Amino acid sequence: KAGVTQTPRYLIKTRGQQVTLSCSPISGHRSVSWYQQTPGQGLQFLFEYFSETQRNKGNFPGRFSGRQFSNSRSEMNVSTLELGDSALYLCASSLGWGQGPSYEQYFGPGTRLTVT
Amino acid sequence: GQQLNQSPQSMFIQEGEDVSMNCTSSSIFNTWLWYKQDPGEGPVLLIALYKAGELTSNGRLTAQFGITRKDSFLNISASIPSDVGIYFCAGRGSGGYQKVTFGTGTKLQVIP
Repeated sequence: KAGVTQTPRYLIKTRGQQVTLSCSPISGHRSVSWYQQTPGQGLQFLFEYFSETQRNKGNFPGRFSGRQFSNSRSEMNVSTLELGDSALYLCASSLGWGQGPSYEQYFGPGTRLTVT
Repeated sequence: GQQLNQSPQSMFIQEGEDVSMNCTSSSIFNTWLWYKQDPGEGPVLLIALYKAGELTSNGRLTAQFGITRKDSFLNISASIPSDVGIYFCAGRGSGGYQKVTFGTGTKLQVIP
């Protein structure tokens, strides 16, 4: 079974631009979560989607948005990029949403975003 | 953002030694998860715990869900060079709306 895939793996953007990152979950998984990882802040939760609905949101500005499609694939968008948005963006998928083993999250390799 | 306190932050050990790390939170969690991350990769789930007091093993790894539900421990026995990496704990509170909170990570380096 294929794992979580994220595209692109690496991206360089200029301050003020916008970017869209893509995540394909493990086949059969319906929940997708996004995280930002930086050396200073560690792993920070961005948002979580299940059945095309945002179920949870972290403490990030409105420039960060996401969506989930009917095939469970998800995208996240960052508008008006700032230097501080440089990070590894990780996507994780799980079977379901809620508690217990169905919620075990499996991570993709991440997209390394560099903002110059 | 909220984070769990994980210790130690880093450790150097000799190959063959046992390793212990722990995670503490000010909040009660219903789920504790332990991940390992290699450079340039996403975290890989090692062990998941769902009940207070639960002790679960995965090969040379053993993790425990603390009785108070505010802490968890991970032990690695007889370390080998491929154990090198960053280990993260993660916790989730009760209710479907609770997000997963990650620890600050423990960087493990094994000296052959």
